[in-house]
Amino acid sequence: GQNIDQPTEMTATEGAIVQINCTYQTSGFNGLFWYQQHAGEAPTFLSYNVLDGLEEKGRFSSFLSRSKGYSYLLLKELQMKDSASYLCAVLDSNYQLIWGAGTKLIIKP
Amino acid sequence: ETGVTQTPRHLVMGMTNKKSLKCEQHLGHNAMYWYKQSAKKPLELMFVYNFKEQTENNSVPSRFSPECPNSSHLFLHLHTLQPEDSALYLCASSHLTSGGGANTGELFFGEGSRLTVL
Repeated sequence: GQNIDQPTEMTATEGAIVQINCTYQTSGFNGLFWYQQHAGEAPTFLSYNVLDGLEEKGRFSSFLSRSKGYSYLLLKELQMKDSASYLCAVLDSNYQLIWGAGTKLIIKP
Repeated sequence: ETGVTQTPRHLVMGMTNKKSLKCEQHLGHNAMYWYKQSAKKPLELMFVYNFKEQTENNSVPSRFSPECPNSSHLFLHLHTLQPEDSALYLCASSHLTSGGGANTGELFFGEGSRLTVL
């Protein structure tokens, strides 16, 4: 079966750095997405990786290793507004999105 | 308006009621989706419409009935629901690539309809 694993919850301090990991086993691979979802709001697109390596976008970076079936989302200079759930999703060989259960990130002052 | 709009935002219904959820997208996309989001579970894909044609129905019970009258509107008709159907129902849209109609993957979500079944 297809599976996406990510931690259920993480806590970090304002101003610090946090890394949210995602591992996947899917039928084929056509890219990995990270979405951010604030409580009571719509998920919004953060990043897309299809090749190995690090993609940087401001305070957020996303890394992919296809050989290891692994990705992480790195958030720097954490702000209180970064408190949200972060969803990892993989596009499989049929172009279907396989979703993780999400990681709830709590930022403390 | 821009983006994906869902109504109502909150809905409480009894098991014998009939109600509908509405979704509208103003992004010019050609694919629309219904997802179910339950606490601490992955998003569950329910239905997919590509170019107004239903292409996915992931073993969803018949008490959920989708309707896509055009590429901008999507409905989810609800009847005789069960308490375990209580969840956040998210609508999304995306752009399909030309030719093969493959999903590019980036979805634009509405804020969801929070459904409570009593």
